Amino acid sequence: DAGVTQSPTHLIKTRGQQVTLRCSPKSGHDTVSWYQQALGQGPQFIFQYYEEEERQRGNFPDRFSGHQFPNYSSELNVNALLLGDSALYLCASSLVAGLYGYTFGSGTRLTVV
Amino acid sequence: AQRVTQPEKLLSVFKGAPVELKCNYSYSGSPELFWYVQYSRQRLQLLLRHISRESIKGFTADLNKGETSFHLKKPFAQEEDSAMYYCALSRPDFGNEKLTFGTGTRLTIIP
Repeated sequence: DAGVTQSPTHLIKTRGQQVTLRCSPKSGHDTVSWYQQALGQGPQFIFQYYEEEERQRGNFPDRFSGHQFPNYSSELNVNALLLGDSALYLCASSLVAGLYGYTFGSGTRLTVV
Repeated sequence: AQRVTQPEKLLSVFKGAPVELKCNYSYSGSPELFWYVQYSRQRLQLLLRHISRESIKGFTADLNKGETSFHLKKPFAQEEDSAMYYCALSRPDFGNEKLTFGTGTRLTIIP
């Protein structure tokens, strides 16, 4: 079992561009959550997807959107990138929301220049 | 709103000495508390959750509701304990829908 897989591992984008990050959950997990981790900070919750719907959302603008597919994989989209969006984006998968705990991926390092 | 505070960004301890990483939280309900660890070049992984009452790699943590704390302790530090440690909280009343993390403590064990 490869656990949670995220792609790409690193990404450089220009201010104003759009980006899509991808996540494959751990086998058997049906819920995917996304977190943003800025340098020197703990991960901040962006949103969670369960049964292909956004179940919960943190304090992030509408520029951040997501999607969950029938195979439980998920995408995080960020539009109109700002320099402040530079961060490590973590995907965490779980079963039945977070009832049994979360498994994290290695993350995608996004740099906005 | 819930909040997790880890007052120490950096902590250095000699090998063999006791370790205590502090974590305080604020939440009006009954939270579930966790410690996550990130070793160098590895992904974030669960170390402890308070409901399990386990001891993992010699670490223990007790939830003190009176002091709203969940400090992580180990009696004798080992070099392999050097890592970044995050305290986190979830809300069982809301289906544990998300984790709220502290800012983390970087623990360095001095040989």
